[in-house]
Amino acid sequence: DIQMTQSPSSVSASVGDKVTISCRASQDVSTWLAWYQQKPGKAPKVLIYITSSLQRGVPSRFSGRGSGTDFTLTISSLQPEDSATYYCQQASSFPLTFGGGTKVEIK
Amino acid sequence: EVQLVESGGGLVQPGGSLRLSCAASGFTFSTYWMSWVRQAPGKGLEWVANINEDGSDYYYVDSVKGRFTISRDNARNSVSLQMNSLRAEDTAVYFCVIYHVSSGFLDYWGQGTLVTVSS
Repeated sequence: DIQMTQSPSSVSASVGDKVTISCRASQDVSTWLAWYQQKPGKAPKVLIYITSSLQRGVPSRFSGRGSGTDFTLTISSLQPEDSATYYCQQASSFPLTFGGGTKVEIK
Repeated sequence: EVQLVESGGGLVQPGGSLRLSCAASGFTFSTYWMSWVRQAPGKGLEWVANINEDGSDYYYVDSVKGRFTISRDNARNSVSLQMNSLRAEDTAVYFCVIYHVSSGFLDYWGQGTLVTVSS
């Protein structure tokens, strides 16, 4: 199985700051990587798929990049509504696997 | 509007069985793969199972193989998860999700149904 490791596990930043979350795969997943946002008590919502494709309706301050084993999700200018936990997920092979999550808090 | 409504969760004793159902609407159900994803209380996301468009192909996480069965009824726009030999570690919120097989991501999610395995 492909293990996904996210860092940091939590980050606290101010409104307007740039925030970058990393995700590392235990083996090459090419660009089969998605990112999700989950707010407390809610279902996750997809932000980005195939590494860098922005899902419809997702603000352009979210972006993704990477390939192979190293990926990043960047929030270019953090907004109050971005307070949430973010997960990466690989789709290179079954079982689909998620990273452990990164909690983003607003200072 | 896409809607996925899970049902069937509840409290069950270890070793017991439960059947989750997901009623889908607002999209052409028979043309999409479907998934179940779970989240233990206070923990991260874990993919559980996938089923293809016509139900002829399916995949499971190792921890549920031989105990859980995913199925679908395209005539009724529903997907189910039969869970047998339940263990305490199966306690979680179970989400029904549309899976985009060509892009590998989990798109629309239901609100989830809580399964608690406890004596």
